[in-house]
Amino acid sequence: AQSVSQHNHHVILSEAASLELGCNYSYGGTVNLFWYVQYPGQHLQLLLKYFSGDPLVKGIKGFEAEFIKSKFSFNLRKPSVQWSDTAEYFCAVTANNAGNMLTFGGGTRLMVKP
Amino acid sequence: IAGITQAPTSQILAAGRRMTLRCTQDMRHNAMYWYRQDLGLGLRLIHYSNTAGTTGKGEVPDGYSVSRANTDDFPLTLASAVPSQTSVYFCASSRESGANVLTFGAGSRLTVL
Repeated sequence: AQSVSQHNHHVILSEAASLELGCNYSYGGTVNLFWYVQYPGQHLQLLLKYFSGDPLVKGIKGFEAEFIKSKFSFNLRKPSVQWSDTAEYFCAVTANNAGNMLTFGGGTRLMVKP
Repeated sequence: IAGITQAPTSQILAAGRRMTLRCTQDMRHNAMYWYRQDLGLGLRLIHYSNTAGTTGKGEVPDGYSVSRANTDDFPLTLASAVPSQTSVYFCASSRESGANVLTFGAGSRLTVL
């Protein structure tokens, strides 16, 4: 079955540590890729997206993600995390061979220790 | 402020009762969606509507129904609630269906006892 996998369910980092959250998908064909973030007590909001072009995309708050088509991956990175990055992060994919419905991964809870 | 309004924000419900979660958007978006969020499972699509007057089933539609009488409103109904429907429900919308950025509501936390 088509799916989106986030390998790390919980991540704990100290401030200034580097972050990489994994995301893999199993869809073929043309895909559009997203990372959404949910800060404590808030609703989901878009962090960054990839539709086409440069596979390295920059998002808000210093986040970036790289689309590697050969690996079916769209990992999220940030060189130096802050306490305010504590949140849950969701990778999501739409695929033209899956009705273009947005499918989410299981989420990764990030806790940044001050 | 443009966006999505969900109601109620939280509800405790006895099993077997009927419940409707309301969702209203003022952005004139054509597409609307209902997701449920469960720990470790992320968000799963329950039902969607690509435009007013049409609806479709998502990944986990059983036990839920929706209607889309107009562009703004997209209520989700649980005809006879069961404990496994305890979850946080998010309504979302996008300008068009497909590869679009979604705008989410604040969520409705439902507990079925």
